[in-house]
Amino acid sequence: ETGVTQTPRHLVMGMTNKKSLKCEQHLGHNAMYWYKQSAKKPLELMFVYNFKEQTENNSVPSRFSPECPNSSHLFLHLHTLQPEDSALYLCASSQKGQGNTEAFFGQGTRLTVV
Amino acid sequence: AQSVTQLDSQVPVFEEAPVELRCNYSSSVSVYLFWYVQYPNQGLQLLLKYLSGSTLVKGINGFEAEFNKSQTSFHLRKPSVHISDTAEYFCAVSDRGGYNKLIFGAGTRLAVHP
Repeated sequence: ETGVTQTPRHLVMGMTNKKSLKCEQHLGHNAMYWYKQSAKKPLELMFVYNFKEQTENNSVPSRFSPECPNSSHLFLHLHTLQPEDSALYLCASSQKGQGNTEAFFGQGTRLTVV
Repeated sequence: AQSVTQLDSQVPVFEEAPVELRCNYSSSVSVYLFWYVQYPNQGLQLLLKYLSGSTLVKGINGFEAEFNKSQTSFHLRKPSVHISDTAEYFCAVSDRGGYNKLIFGAGTRLAVHP
């Protein structure tokens, strides 16, 4: 498999549940990202990981907890979410380095919080 | 910090007509510029990018964009659209020294009618 793969594609969870989103990249990149895409709003950058280290957290609530065990895998652990957290969650990867600038995106996980 | 403004939230157009999707950016540093496309229930796919050199950039599916530094714009154009071009289009910017973190505009919905 090539590119950036996200699982599951769809997830429905209650507000008291705990679930995790998974992202895997097969591109040899050294940076990975989580974005949130809500209706009628720009894509919001949530977290940035470089060489497995978190380098950015854009004031994301603690009910979202990222994990990057290696440069190929990125998780987003979810607990006690709110209905307003329903959105498309996109994972992306890129290679830091001069001239290597584009990000490759997965197909996203459509999350519905009920 | 960078920001991106996409001036039109929706652009309706007839098949085989030309189209221009507008994008303006704001940044205190030199940037890279991108256009991504998102089809329904999909992730984002890179259409084209401007890194340096010629200000006219050609991308996939017959799209092109022109970088205008004085007007801080990066408008996307296609001389003749197809029904299959119906999608959401996102303009994005990243600074040249960072970790390829992309900042997105709110998106423009292109609707091509027969």
